[in-house]
Amino acid sequence: QVQLQESGPGLVKPSGTLSLTCAVSGGSISSSNWWSWVRQPPGKGLEWIGEIYHSGSTNYNPSLKSRVTISVDKSKNQFSLKLSSVTAADTAVYYCTLVRGVITNWGQGTLVTVSS
Amino acid sequence: EIVMTQSPATLSVSPGERATLSCRASQSVSSNLAWYQQKPGQAPRLLIYGASTRATGIPARFSGSGSGTEFTLTISSLQSEDFAVYYCQQYNNWPLRTFGQGTKVEIK
Repeated sequence: QVQLQESGPGLVKPSGTLSLTCAVSGGSISSSNWWSWVRQPPGKGLEWIGEIYHSGSTNYNPSLKSRVTISVDKSKNQFSLKLSSVTAADTAVYYCTLVRGVITNWGQGTLVTVSS
Repeated sequence: EIVMTQSPATLSVSPGERATLSCRASQSVSSNLAWYQQKPGQAPRLLIYGASTRATGIPARFSGSGSGTEFTLTISSLQSEDFAVYYCQQYNNWPLRTFGQGTKVEIK
């Protein structure tokens, strides 16, 4: 069973860059799957941020594309999210996920607050 | 972008009763529709994919139907552990996988 674990700062200053890493265990990030990030503002719904394949191919939500970078580190079996120029609207629980057509596995999520 | 609209926003149901949740797509997504369940403080969990196929370990009281633009999630007899928020998601318009805004199923 593939398990995912997010890590990174829980507090980011406005205009700064949010950086999160997702460690994958119980499976290889080089498998034929996509790996994605989804976020959920407090009390609100889910928003797909983007995804990456082990080859490095990426797809991003057009609404965030100018600020998002997702990368993969096969040697560490992990992938990462960077979101630049953050504002309070980026405060959310961020989930890393495994995509097999649909999202089959989710990390527990990590709350990132944007505040000075 | 395909917009997914769920109704109602909140559904009040008594334990043992049937719950019917709706999800509408702004354009056809064929059968590329999934349902997720999210309990407070937890990550979502996949319930249904392909509009009607239950994910591994999902009880038979959960069923999905529909195709094109209209979809339904039915919980035949609500158990206490089923009170949660349910989201639909289309994955036809890959790679932009859009979610509905959610339906909260609460105890009546």
